[in-house]
Amino acid sequence: KAGVTQTPRYLIKTRGQQVTLSCSPISGHRSVSWYQQTPGQGLQFLFEYFSETQRNKGNFPGRFSGRQFSNSRSEMNVSTLELGDSALYLCASRASSNQPQHFGDGTRLSIL
Amino acid sequence: DQQVKQNSPSLSVQEGRISILNCDYTNSMFDYFLWYKKYPAEGPTFLISISSIKDKNEDGRFTVFLNKSAKHLSLHIVPSQPGDSAVYFCAASGAGGGSNYKLTFGKGTLLTVNP
Repeated sequence: KAGVTQTPRYLIKTRGQQVTLSCSPISGHRSVSWYQQTPGQGLQFLFEYFSETQRNKGNFPGRFSGRQFSNSRSEMNVSTLELGDSALYLCASRASSNQPQHFGDGTRLSIL
Repeated sequence: DQQVKQNSPSLSVQEGRISILNCDYTNSMFDYFLWYKKYPAEGPTFLISISSIKDKNEDGRFTVFLNKSAKHLSLHIVPSQPGDSAVYFCAASGAGGGSNYKLTFGKGTLLTVNP
């Protein structure tokens, strides 16, 4: 069974640009969550989508947005990039709320 | 406000001995706890979980203990192997819907198992 797939693995952008990251969950998983990992803050929850609806949202500015498609694939968008947005962005999927989340290998975003 | 705390940034043990990783939480609404292992350049890998109705869950070399009154959980790895060397994250979530479903992570403990 294929795991969570995130693309691209690495991305370099400059300040002010926008970026879209993609996540394909494990087949059959309808919940997709996004996390930001930085050395100082650890893993921070961004948002969760379930059946194309945002179910939870973390404490991030509105520049961070996401969506989920009918096939459960999800995208995350960050607009007006700032240097502080440099991080590893992780996507996770799960079958239901009382099941563990399974993570992809992440997208390493670097802002110059 | 850090709701899940792993107070030891690092831990070093000898191969074959027991590794004990600790985690404390403050939110009494948490009722589902997980441990993840993370190697560099990879995403976290789920290890083991425990719900608040239990105080122990075992899976092979890995055992998680939950002390609800102390709001403390620990992961025991016996025997420790060099391949266990990684960063271990404790995570928690709550039931009841809404924002409680999200995972809140500790900042991780780097475990080094020496041959």
